[in-house]
Amino acid sequence: DVKVTQSSRYLVKRTGEKVFLECVQDMDHENMFWYRQDPGLGLRLIYFSYDVKMKEKGDIPEGYSVSREKKERFSLILESASTNQTSMYLCASSFESSSWGAWPQHFGDGTRLSIL
Amino acid sequence: GEDVEQSLFLSVREGDSSVINCTYTDSSSTYLYWYKQEPGAGLQLLTYIFSNMDMKQDQRLTVLLNKKDKHLSLRIADTQTGDSAIYFCAESTYSGAGSYQLTFGKGTKLSVIP
Repeated sequence: DVKVTQSSRYLVKRTGEKVFLECVQDMDHENMFWYRQDPGLGLRLIYFSYDVKMKEKGDIPEGYSVSREKKERFSLILESASTNQTSMYLCASSFESSSWGAWPQHFGDGTRLSIL
Repeated sequence: GEDVEQSLFLSVREGDSSVINCTYTDSSSTYLYWYKQEPGAGLQLLTYIFSNMDMKQDQRLTVLLNKKDKHLSLRIADTQTGDSAIYFCAESTYSGAGSYQLTFGKGTKLSVIP
């Protein structure tokens, strides 16, 4: 079974702090994704990566950055945390898309982040 | 742009069938997916259907696809309290440069009444 592991289930940080959320997958997937999930808004894509050292902006990249130094690890960075970044953060991974479409994404259990 | 629409809430009695509906916009979508999210957890892939199929059955789950109307449904037979969760529909959409992504609906919260 695919395993996507997020480093923390719950995290509490203060406004202005630099926050790192870590995600590791064990299936040699090329693609990795970071989403945030808020009530009534569903999943919104923050950033994704198709390969090591590659990153692409999603729908809501402002206030975030990412790092992918190794294929299995994808980090989300909040450069200066703000209260409106309090949310559930979900990491996902998948094989690279083929000519016919996207492979299913496999998700971690999420990190519930609170910014005080 | 691409959009996936779902009703936000569904309530059923234990033992009844649940039907969760989804409409999508990208007629070229090849795979369509259903995910389940239990409280406090990530999304779990439930099932998927290829666009050349009309129906797929997997134990208590039946997926129906109407390509003409771009309508997808998930039927859960003999719904149990453990089926209470949020269900997300997702379509595979072209994101440029030969790559595809998944576009998710906002999710349908299924509540099962004992």
